[in-house]
Amino acid sequence: EPEVTQTPSHQVTQMGQEVILRCVPISNHLYFYWYRQILGQKVEFLVSFYNNEISEKSEIFDDQFSVERPDGSNFTLKIRSTKLEDSAMYFCASSVQGESPLHFGNGTRLTVT
Amino acid sequence: GENVEQHPSTLSVQEGDSAVIKCTYSDSASNYFPWYKQELGKRPQLIIDIRSNVGEKKDQRIAVTLNKTAKHFSLHITETQPEDSAVYFCAAIPNNAGNMLTFGGGTRLMVKP
Repeated sequence: EPEVTQTPSHQVTQMGQEVILRCVPISNHLYFYWYRQILGQKVEFLVSFYNNEISEKSEIFDDQFSVERPDGSNFTLKIRSTKLEDSAMYFCASSVQGESPLHFGNGTRLTVT
Repeated sequence: GENVEQHPSTLSVQEGDSAVIKCTYSDSASNYFPWYKQELGKRPQLIIDIRSNVGEKKDQRIAVTLNKTAKHFSLHITETQPEDSAVYFCAAIPNNAGNMLTFGGGTRLMVKP
């Protein structure tokens, strides 16, 4: 069964540094997403991406965040200047179309020190 | 925006018993309600979903019911097994929000052998 893959599995960075989290969505999926989960809490929506542009974003997704699909396979989340409170598990997901099941990757655990 | 409340936050059952997890949502126009299972340190995995034109859906030991009038939906697991132990999240998609899932707070299910 095809899977969403994410790299790295764990990223440690210092406060103020830029990080890029990478994802390869399932190949025939058209919608891509980033969610985050602070340890022990619920999964929170960050952003959705369709047809090479952001379709929705949450209040969490401020100017420090950006997403990009630099080529035909990768989907990246960039945090420009990390803060301690950005420490969380970041999940990439994809779906065939809107309002269809989301398939999550295994996540990247981001630790900001 | 959409608000999803989930109860209980923890649930402990004996192996073989049934488990029921309940969620309420606020946006009456929401029309897609998935349930995800998340094992410790792993990604959320879709276990069942239901759309607003259906009142109940079943898949082997798992069933979901939806009451649109009351704006609540429930997950039912019968004949629970130790491997059912995990955190379960309900979710809903607000009206006109593409695939922007709003998750409930999660239920930690523990099945005691």
